[in-house]
Amino acid sequence: DTVLTQSPALAVSPGERVSISCRASEGVNSYMHWYQQKPGQQPKLLIYKASNLASGVPARFSGSGSGTDFTLTIDPVEADDTATYFCQQSWNDPDTFGAGTKLELK
Amino acid sequence: EVQLVESGGGLVQPGRSMKLSCAASGFTFNNYDMAWVCQAPKKGLEWVATISYDGSSTYYRDSVKGRFTISRDNAKSTLYLQMDSLRSEDTATYYCARYWELRYFDYWGQGVMVTVSS
Repeated sequence: DTVLTQSPALAVSPGERVSISCRASEGVNSYMHWYQQKPGQQPKLLIYKASNLASGVPARFSGSGSGTDFTLTIDPVEADDTATYFCQQSWNDPDTFGAGTKLELK
Repeated sequence: EVQLVESGGGLVQPGRSMKLSCAASGFTFNNYDMAWVCQAPKKGLEWVATISYDGSSTYYRDSVKGRFTISRDNAKSTLYLQMDSLRSEDTATYYCARYWELRYFDYWGQGVMVTVSS
């Protein structure tokens, strides 16, 4: 299975820019997607196919990358962005998720 | 508004069965592939199974093949997951999700907890 590696945690101050990385163990073309999960809630789609903003998601969120290296960027970060962010690839079977990056605000 | 509402979870003994349901509304259910994704306590997300829009094709992760069955009733706009021979490692929150054609999960239910324990 394709392993997606994310850094476990990040801490930033409101108003700053943060980049969350996701590295795939093999190429996934542009089939990388990003989700936000707040405590006690279901995941919410943020970005699909590497760089496409999902409906209703603020333009502060953006995605980039292709192949094996992908980045979710939040600029500027707001207090409400405290959550765990997961990447998911769907190029190779089976679909796999990263372990998540927990974003905390200082 | 798209809504996915799971039901049927709870505590079950190892080796027993449980059936989850997911009632869909706010979209044309029979136009979309659907999936189940699970999340063990304090852990990450794991795809479980997918079913095509018409129910003709199903896909499973290796660890549940032969034990879990995904199905749907398009007349009732309902997705199901029949879980047999349950194991402690199946303990998780199970989410019903709409699986869009570009192979991402664009809407998720609130999840239902399944605890496998004696």
